[in-house]
Amino acid sequence: GAVVSQHPSRVICKSGTSVKIECRSLDFQATTMFWYRQFPKQSLMLMATSNEGSKATYEQGVEKDKFLINHASLTLSTLTVTSAHPEDSSFYICSARGLGDNSPLHFGNGTRLTVT
Amino acid sequence: QKEVEQDPGPLSVPEGAIVSLNCTYSNSAFQYFMWYRQYSRKGPELLMYTYSSGNKEDGRFTAQVDKSSKYISLFIRDSQPSDSATYLCAMSVGNAGKSTFGDGTTLTVKP
Repeated sequence: GAVVSQHPSRVICKSGTSVKIECRSLDFQATTMFWYRQFPKQSLMLMATSNEGSKATYEQGVEKDKFLINHASLTLSTLTVTSAHPEDSSFYICSARGLGDNSPLHFGNGTRLTVT
Repeated sequence: QKEVEQDPGPLSVPEGAIVSLNCTYSNSAFQYFMWYRQYSRKGPELLMYTYSSGNKEDGRFTAQVDKSSKYISLFIRDSQPSDSATYLCAMSVGNAGKSTFGDGTTLTVKP
């Protein structure tokens, strides 16, 4: 089945620094990937839709200058949290649609970001 | 009101019980329905994927979709402690766009 790899699984950074999270589709090409944020015991909150070769589409209330998304190839999308603050600490998850028509979303294993 | 409603639980059952998880929704345009299982500190894992109304069975799992009632269900037979996780329902209008998720139901299966 479709596999989505996300790296790193956990990162701790200091306030004011930037952190890059990678999302790769390992055995298929993904023209569209999605980035989510999840707080403890809450559901997934869609942050943005990443489109290969074009600008990402951000959900309302998500700062595009703070959460930079780059989808430079059909197998890689990156999310960079710029000038991170403690309130950015969260679980970030990416997803991509698998091969073929009517394919559902497959998720990476998430990145737990802690900003100190 | 949320587009997708899901009882967060928590739900606790003894091993071997039949588990019923449910979601309701308000958008009649939804046509694709998914159930995901999420273990703590992990990404969601796809369990079931159905299009339009009907039933789908995969091993111990059965997914039901009733579009007339805007109601979907996931049944787990012979539940195991390893089934303890949070179960998320999700649905979408088309197959290429974003999905809308429920808040998840936390299930504990006790040995």
